[in-house]
Amino acid sequence: AQSVTQLGSHVSVSEGALVLLRCNYSSSVPPYLFWYVQYPNQGLQLLLKYTTGATLVKGINGFEAEFKKSETSFHLTKPSAHMSDAAEYFCAVNPSNDYKLSFGAGTTVTVRA
Amino acid sequence: DGGITQSPKYLFRKEGQNVTLSCEQNLNHDAMYWYRQDPGQGLRLIYYSQIVNDFQKGDIAEGYSVSREKKESFPLTVTSAQKNPTAFYLCASTVLRTGFYGYTFGSGTRLTVV
Repeated sequence: AQSVTQLGSHVSVSEGALVLLRCNYSSSVPPYLFWYVQYPNQGLQLLLKYTTGATLVKGINGFEAEFKKSETSFHLTKPSAHMSDAAEYFCAVNPSNDYKLSFGAGTTVTVRA
Repeated sequence: DGGITQSPKYLFRKEGQNVTLSCEQNLNHDAMYWYRQDPGQGLRLIYYSQIVNDFQKGDIAEGYSVSREKKESFPLTVTSAQKNPTAFYLCASTVLRTGFYGYTFGSGTRLTVV
């Protein structure tokens, strides 16, 4: 069963514009939530994670995400896009506390000059 | 520096051949994982291991085999039974302790059937 849904397989933004990537999850227990970034032909790099505590999580490269339990969402944002943000982004959830991650299908971000 | 090393970066397989992808980590992580990545499908779990000499099937284990003889190593064999092996393969690891902090990934192996 799909645990993670990323809305939009491709997002195109102008340089300097807001980046918003949407992620919704299904979990019967409080999950651990992650965002990863992947550049072409490379592995995945952790951007940020939510485990417990503050629901607004700040990550690397100016990204942040907010855990909203009532909406079962963990959307990723960056106020001002940079050309170097062009990559594929994956939302992931650990739905059952068993050290296994389920990944969304990914969102490819293109940044226009 | 600690990390995960996957080799080779590119691999070509002929029909009917078995091939083995290497994954080595020097992070002293307990658990290791193999994922397959296809365009538009995200990452799908093939096998994982949380302790030496033990491993579990993931969601798409058919046509694959693994071993975990050492904590540092978790090789993946793509057998001839895997009918569509062309994909990008990612190895990951994590430490097992209270709480979960996500995976560290290797840089991947791209397998192509020729």
